[in-house]
Amino acid sequence: NAGVMQNPRHLVRRRGQEARLRCSPMKGHSHVYWYRQLPEEGLKFMVYLQKENIIDESGMPKERFSAEFPKEGPSILRIQQVVRGDSAAYFCASSAQGVPYEQYFGPGTRLTVT
Amino acid sequence: AQSVTQLDSQVPVFEEAPVELRCNYSSSVSVYLFWYVQYPNQGLQLLLKYLSGSTLVKGINGFEAEFNKSQTSFHLRKPSVHISDTAEYFCAVSDQGTGNQFYFGTGTSLTVIP
Repeated sequence: NAGVMQNPRHLVRRRGQEARLRCSPMKGHSHVYWYRQLPEEGLKFMVYLQKENIIDESGMPKERFSAEFPKEGPSILRIQQVVRGDSAAYFCASSAQGVPYEQYFGPGTRLTVT
Repeated sequence: AQSVTQLDSQVPVFEEAPVELRCNYSSSVSVYLFWYVQYPNQGLQLLLKYLSGSTLVKGINGFEAEFNKSQTSFHLRKPSVHISDTAEYFCAVSDQGTGNQFYFGTGTSLTVIP
């Protein structure tokens, strides 16, 4: 499967724990985007990364959330000290260099905070 | 920032009837426009996109959409729906200048009735 891969697909965390969501972009893609979908809402942009660089994090909450896209390996969205309001579906998308409007989405990670 | 309005949150339609899902956006700049479909517990699949050129865009599964710049609309249509079209449909917009951040509507739930 050459598409965008996300794991885990489902993640359950207790309040106060850390959540780590992983995204492997499509082969040949060097740009990754994270979106959050709250229940009954559309997707909201969180952050845009290239390898080893955060390009635009204007949609990231100021606290507890961080993202990285290392030179090797998947992109990671980290949520520290999760709260019930973090329960959502988190989608990753990727694009090739120079075509940010050609974003391909992964299947998402559904985070449930109990 | 862009805003995208999907006027109908739920659209029930009988099988083989035509359907139109409405999408309006607010923008003072040139945009790219997209429609995505999301089946239950799955990721987003691109139906069609408008980047430039002809304002009538044809996509997969028999869907088409028309870009109307004066009305800032990008309505999705299908002349005859099938049961398998039951899903959530999202309209999205990105600025041509940057393109990296997609703005999504809140979605329209299409239910096809046998």
